[in-house]
Amino acid sequence: AQSVSQHNHHVILSEAASLELGCNYSYGGTVNLFWYVQYPGQHLQLLLKYFSGDPLVKGIKGFEAEFIKSKFSFNLRKPSVQWSDTAEYFCAVNAHNTGGFKTIFGAGTRLFVKA
Amino acid sequence: GAVVSQHPSRVICKSGTSVKIECRSLDFQATTMFWYRQFPKQSLMLMATSNEGSKATYEQGVEKDKFLINHASLTLSTLTVTSAHPEDSSFYICSAKASGVSDTQYFGPGTRLTVL
Repeated sequence: AQSVSQHNHHVILSEAASLELGCNYSYGGTVNLFWYVQYPGQHLQLLLKYFSGDPLVKGIKGFEAEFIKSKFSFNLRKPSVQWSDTAEYFCAVNAHNTGGFKTIFGAGTRLFVKA
Repeated sequence: GAVVSQHPSRVICKSGTSVKIECRSLDFQATTMFWYRQFPKQSLMLMATSNEGSKATYEQGVEKDKFLINHASLTLSTLTVTSAHPEDSSFYICSAKASGVSDTQYFGPGTRLTVL
């Protein structure tokens, strides 16, 4: 069965620290990969996505993610976090099956950035 | 960007009653809509995939007679929780995918259901 694993459930950083959130998936076929963010009191928003091409994907607000196929990973990074990055981050995998496609979400990582 | 709305944002109902939640794509046509359930401090669990004009596809373990889904138009899908019980209390989120090549989903703000 397909699954998405996010390694950290809670992360606390100080402003200007670097961020890396891990995401691994289990699926042997073609996948599309996403990172979503949910700010406090708001709904899910797309941060970035990978479909094909350059495995290093740039997203909004200075975020980027790297798809490493051999490691089944799609880690999210930001060189210098800000207080406004406090949110919950979800990795998601969209896997193509014979019946169509289905998006599976990781459990999420809550990031708290101290001012 | 694409906007998806949900109504109501919060609903409190008595056990045994039915509740309908609407999901609308406001500025695009959604051939496919998804319904998720999110438990506290947990991730989104896909309940069903709804395609306009056809029956919804339910995930394993989701009772189709309890969670009725209707995708009557390209901009509206409804989820009806029938004979709700306290264990149905949860945060229900819909998302919509526009027709075309993108696999990007746009999420609604969610509906908090509390069954007393």
